Amino acid sequence: DQQVKQNSPSLSVQEGRISILNCDYTNSMFDYFLWYKKYPAEGPTFLISISSIKDKNEDGRFTVFLNKSAKHLSLHIVPSQPGDSAVYFCAASAPIQGAQKLVFGQGTRLTINP
Amino acid sequence: EPEVTQTPSHQVTQMGQEVILRCVPISNHLYFYWYRQILGQKVEFLVSFYNNEISEKSEIFDDQFSVERPDGSNFTLKIRSTKLEDSAMYFCASRRGNLLRVGTEAFFGQGTRLTVV
Repeated sequence: DQQVKQNSPSLSVQEGRISILNCDYTNSMFDYFLWYKKYPAEGPTFLISISSIKDKNEDGRFTVFLNKSAKHLSLHIVPSQPGDSAVYFCAASAPIQGAQKLVFGQGTRLTINP
Repeated sequence: EPEVTQTPSHQVTQMGQEVILRCVPISNHLYFYWYRQILGQKVEFLVSFYNNEISEKSEIFDDQFSVERPDGSNFTLKIRSTKLEDSAMYFCASRRGNLLRVGTEAFFGQGTRLTVV
């Protein structure tokens, strides 16, 4: 049941360039999307989110774009820095009563090369 | 900055034994979760807890699993009789309010690595 997919298991980007991480989803009920960053032996850390009523949200170097018709979202990091090297997870949530669980993608390992 | 804390960081247990994983969520948060990540796989939802009861649970969360919020601050996950396939990283998370409001994203603890031998 792969409702959220990150098709690129890894991505390598030069320092200073733009990193673009992609995520696709299948459940049209999802209305809130998040990106988390994870270092080894640590829990996921929230980065940025977007509601389905928007198509773009920006926070510093991080921008998330949502294309609802394509059921696709992307995370742009610019400029990329060595500290951005981590696994990035896309997550989505549907508006149900109660606790609104997150459904995660498989993650993309981003490596920023100096 | 407030954070979700989990103990222990690593637990090794024999198959068939009971384990309790502990979490202290952020104090003004209302929604609590357990997720797990088997090595090399994605983070999977186990259970959500709100207003002192289970809100939703996944197929993974069978009768061997239970959750409790015994004292208003701790949130525990108990596995009654561990199996080899329960070996994973277990993450606790908490959230303040409705997800559609800014600032109510889920915050995760650093995880407990459970190894069943």
